[in-house]
Amino acid sequence: NAGVMQNPRHLVRRRGQEARLRCSPMKGHSHVYWYRQLPEEGLKFMVYLQKENIIDESGMPKERFSAEFPKEGPSILRIQQVVRGDSAAYFCASSPALAGGRFENIQYFGAGTRLSVL
Amino acid sequence: DQQVKQNSPSLSVQEGRISILNCDYTNSMFDYFLWYKKYPAEGPTFLISISSIKDKNEDGRFTVFLNKSAKHLSLHIVPSQPGDSAVYFCAAKKSSGDKLTFGTGTRLAVRP
Repeated sequence: NAGVMQNPRHLVRRRGQEARLRCSPMKGHSHVYWYRQLPEEGLKFMVYLQKENIIDESGMPKERFSAEFPKEGPSILRIQQVVRGDSAAYFCASSPALAGGRFENIQYFGAGTRLSVL
Repeated sequence: DQQVKQNSPSLSVQEGRISILNCDYTNSMFDYFLWYKKYPAEGPTFLISISSIKDKNEDGRFTVFLNKSAKHLSLHIVPSQPGDSAVYFCAAKKSSGDKLTFGTGTRLAVRP
């Protein structure tokens, strides 16, 4: 059973370009979370998605950032017009849905995408 | 507003001895706590967790203790092994919520 898959592992962009980060959750998991880790800091929540729905985007910057989790295919985190401050490690996590609307407490993480903005 | 704090950025322990990593939180709505281990260039790996209705949870060499009144939890690793050298993150969540709130991590070095 493959774990959470993220690609690319490393992404280099020049200022003003777009960055697209992909995440395929673990098999059977329908909840996807994106976190960002700046150097020497902990992971900070960005967005929580279920298939075709954004459930909580309270951690997303208001501009240039967007996320989707389509019915088919991986979840995508898109950063438009990247700036140097976007350089960070971006981690995706997934968890399964539980019956009765309950939340699975444990989230399983991918290896991350390291974005470098030149 | 750092709701989960790990005040020791680093810890060095001799192989075979006990490692104790500490974590404090401020949000009384948190009722589930997790520890993750992270190697460089990898994602966090789940280690052990505890619900607020318990004060201790044990899994092999790893034990997590929760003191709810003090809003404090700790991870004990005994005996420590060189392969335990990594960054350890404490995380908290509300059972009715979704996101994890992480501490800033403690870098553990286990000396052979």
